[in-house]
Amino acid sequence: GAVVSQHPSRVICKSGTSVKIECRSLDFQATTMFWYRQFPKQSLMLMATSNEGSKATYEQGVEKDKFLINHASLTLSTLTVTSAHPEDSSFYICSARQVTNYGYTFGSGTRLTVV
Amino acid sequence: DAKTTQPPSMDCAEGRAANLPCNHSTISGNEYVYWYRQIHSQGPQYIIHGLKNNETNEMASLIITEDRKSSTLILPHATLRDTAVYYCIVRVGTLSGNTPLVFGKGTRLSVIA
Repeated sequence: GAVVSQHPSRVICKSGTSVKIECRSLDFQATTMFWYRQFPKQSLMLMATSNEGSKATYEQGVEKDKFLINHASLTLSTLTVTSAHPEDSSFYICSARQVTNYGYTFGSGTRLTVV
Repeated sequence: DAKTTQPPSMDCAEGRAANLPCNHSTISGNEYVYWYRQIHSQGPQYIIHGLKNNETNEMASLIITEDRKSSTLILPHATLRDTAVYYCIVRVGTLSGNTPLVFGKGTRLSVIA
């Protein structure tokens, strides 16, 4: 089946630094990828929709200059958390949409801790 | 997309069937019912989806009422590894478009030995 690889699975960074999270579709092309954020004991909240070759679409309240999304190829989208602060600590999950069926495949998530 | 309502939590004895309900009374004719689950600290995993007929795969069965206003996900023989949060999501099923899945609060299923 379709696989989405997300790296790193866990990262700890200092406040003020930037962190890049990668999301790759391994055996299918994904013109669209989605980025979610999940705080403890809460559901997944959509942050942005990433489209290959164009600018991402951000949900209301998500700072586009803080959460930089790049989707330069049909198999790779990256999320960069810039100038991270402790309140950015969360579980970040990507999802890719297959164009050949109704499927949405999710990455395994990245646990970001900002200290 | 139509809104769904699920109980916040359920318990199930290991080896027994787990029946997870979902209400989607405002579902429209072209909307599918999707079920995903999320095991702790992992990404969501697809389980099953359906439009109006009952569906079964190697993981579960999906029973949709005739009026399509509710559905039940059935895990026939629950194991400890089925402990997770289960999400029922209703959305238009199309092969094109770039609309994401929108997650509600889901049901936290605890399988007990």
